[in-house]
Amino acid sequence: KQEVTQIPAALSVPEGENLVLNCSFTDSAIYNLQWFRQDPGKGLTSLLLIQSSQREQTSGRLNASLDKSSGRSTLYIAASQPGDSATYLCCTGANNLFFGTGTRLTVIP
Amino acid sequence: ETGVTQSPTHLIKTRGQQVTLRCSSQSGHNTVSWYQQALGQGPQFIFQYYREEENGRGNFPPRFSGLQFPNYSSELNVNALELDDSALYLCASKDRVDTVRGSNQPQHFGDGTRLSIL
Repeated sequence: KQEVTQIPAALSVPEGENLVLNCSFTDSAIYNLQWFRQDPGKGLTSLLLIQSSQREQTSGRLNASLDKSSGRSTLYIAASQPGDSATYLCCTGANNLFFGTGTRLTVIP
Repeated sequence: ETGVTQSPTHLIKTRGQQVTLRCSSQSGHNTVSWYQQALGQGPQFIFQYYREEENGRGNFPPRFSGLQFPNYSSELNVNALELDDSALYLCASKDRVDTVRGSNQPQHFGDGTRLSIL
């Protein structure tokens, strides 16, 4: 069974700082790796999807990388803003998505 | 393009009752999945429906059941509610593609239904 772990569980940074969120998975035979954002009490907003044949995806200030051999993905956020404060979840799977428990990010103005 | 919509947004029930949660999939999406997210945890897969048939199930008891309708909307039914069923229930839809084509579409999530059991 696939297990997904996210480190750290919580992170506080001052506005403007660059930061990296980590995600690891136990089974490297994955279809894809997806990063979501979740605001308190809300659903999940898809940020980036990396197919298994890809190494990274970029959207604006966000860059996600995938290293299947080591079972890791990172989400890089450049020039963080208070509006980036949220919980970030990574997951992998085809039909059945396996999620980590998330990293709760607070960007301090 | 209409996104995934879920109803109701909040619901309070008591132990032993039954509940039905509803989900309308995003336009053009034929596959619907349901997830349970307890406080402080990641979502856990309950089951998926494709063409009105269950297409995979997570580690949830039979009192969790579902339906998918010809318009691809879906219901999640939970019988004999327990205190541990208190959670955010998320619905996700996607356009399933043939895996032979080698691609996998992302799932799009609704805002969820917050279920509280007293």
